[in-house]
Amino acid sequence: RKEVEQDPGPFNVPEGATVAFNCTYSNSASQSFFWYRQDCRKEPKLLMSVYSSGNEDGRFTAQLNRASQYISLLIRDSKLSDSATYLCVVNSFSGGYNKLIFGAGTRLAVHP
Amino acid sequence: ETGVTQSPTHLIKTRGQQVTLRCSSQSGHNTVSWYQQALGQGPQFIFQYYREEENGRGNFPPRFSGLQFPNYSSELNVNALELDDSALYLCASSFPGRFVEQFFGPGTRLTVL
Repeated sequence: RKEVEQDPGPFNVPEGATVAFNCTYSNSASQSFFWYRQDCRKEPKLLMSVYSSGNEDGRFTAQLNRASQYISLLIRDSKLSDSATYLCVVNSFSGGYNKLIFGAGTRLAVHP
Repeated sequence: ETGVTQSPTHLIKTRGQQVTLRCSSQSGHNTVSWYQQALGQGPQFIFQYYREEENGRGNFPPRFSGLQFPNYSSELNVNALELDDSALYLCASSFPGRFVEQFFGPGTRLTVL
């Protein structure tokens, strides 16, 4: 089983749609969670951190359910510029060091 | 811009060759991690360097090695290249004590023929 698993995608949605991505992680000791965005052939960029209380940044809302080891990202009023791959990321502390564990990503294509 | 640069941007090698990829971090970033991202996959952790020493390693064979220098630059070396080594190689650095905030470079795309 992969440490971080995401919806396979791709998601093809019209502009203005609401789309939700899901992610599960296997290590219950994980403490920090993130969503990264990656444009085609570019490096990943931090979109937002995810907190247990849930957090919102404009059209983006992230939720964390520690009991279910589940993370979600909701995008409202999708824009063409939201087209990208969204990576669910978990920080793992093991062996005395931190490392980021990435899911395989979910591709989003927003069309006119 | 993250202030993290990588060189070269693209590279083509043949099987069995050796390659060195370079990363230059922001001043003050004393931790650097390297990741391999195969097509259609998320980045996979290769190893991490802290104060010029390797302090963590993912599931990669010893032919993947690295160096970190006092000037916040680092290298990833891969010996005996295999076709499956074709990928985007990313370095990411962070400030002391703030590992979770990693700054990624643009990556080096390596193609092994």
